[in-house]
Amino acid sequence: EAQVTQNPRYLITVTGKKLTVTCSQNMNHEYMSWYRQDPGLGLRQIYYSMNVEVTDKGDVPEGYKVSRKEKRNFPLILESPSPNQTSLYFCASSPVRLAGYDEQYFGPGTRLTVT
Amino acid sequence: AQKVTQAQTEISVVEKEDVTLDCVYETRDTTYYLFWYKQPPSGELVFLIRRNSFDEQNEISGRYSWNFQKSTSSFNFTITASQVVDSAVYFCALSGGNDMRFGAGTRLTVKP
Repeated sequence: EAQVTQNPRYLITVTGKKLTVTCSQNMNHEYMSWYRQDPGLGLRQIYYSMNVEVTDKGDVPEGYKVSRKEKRNFPLILESPSPNQTSLYFCASSPVRLAGYDEQYFGPGTRLTVT
Repeated sequence: AQKVTQAQTEISVVEKEDVTLDCVYETRDTTYYLFWYKQPPSGELVFLIRRNSFDEQNEISGRYSWNFQKSTSSFNFTITASQVVDSAVYFCALSGGNDMRFGAGTRLTVKP
């Protein structure tokens, strides 16, 4: 089944404890992206990647890192999480290199709580 | 800078009513792409439509229709004869190519 998977789906952690949220797609998609969803703010793009080893900042990259060493994986790293990073995170992928050219396929979301 | 505004935070209608969700965007790009996504109570994000800036034709898909007007920078979404299953948060989004910018979303509640 073609899908985008995220792990974990739920995570409660403490301030400063490094964590990684994994994202994997099995559709051989070029474009991958991370978003966070907060009430009243919609989805905001954190980072995106148009190809392996190519990443770029979105609107809210502070406090996050990403890497794209393989086409299928795009992990989101929080080196020192803070409470303001408590949010619902979505990973997405798209068949083409540019975000506007096709729909994005979203993962199920990861709900992160930082205390 | 690119911006998407969905001024309607919440809308509540009774089943079978028609409802229009507004989306206004700002961009300096001459080529851009507009999207609508649906997020039902289960939480997943579902693609509804994509439009490029050169295609101003309105589109109809069943009970759904979209009105794209470059003159007013709007890309509005109408649901005809709404149903309870249409209850969801709807997001309008804009891309100039590489990135994506979403509006804050409109929560639609359709009551039986």
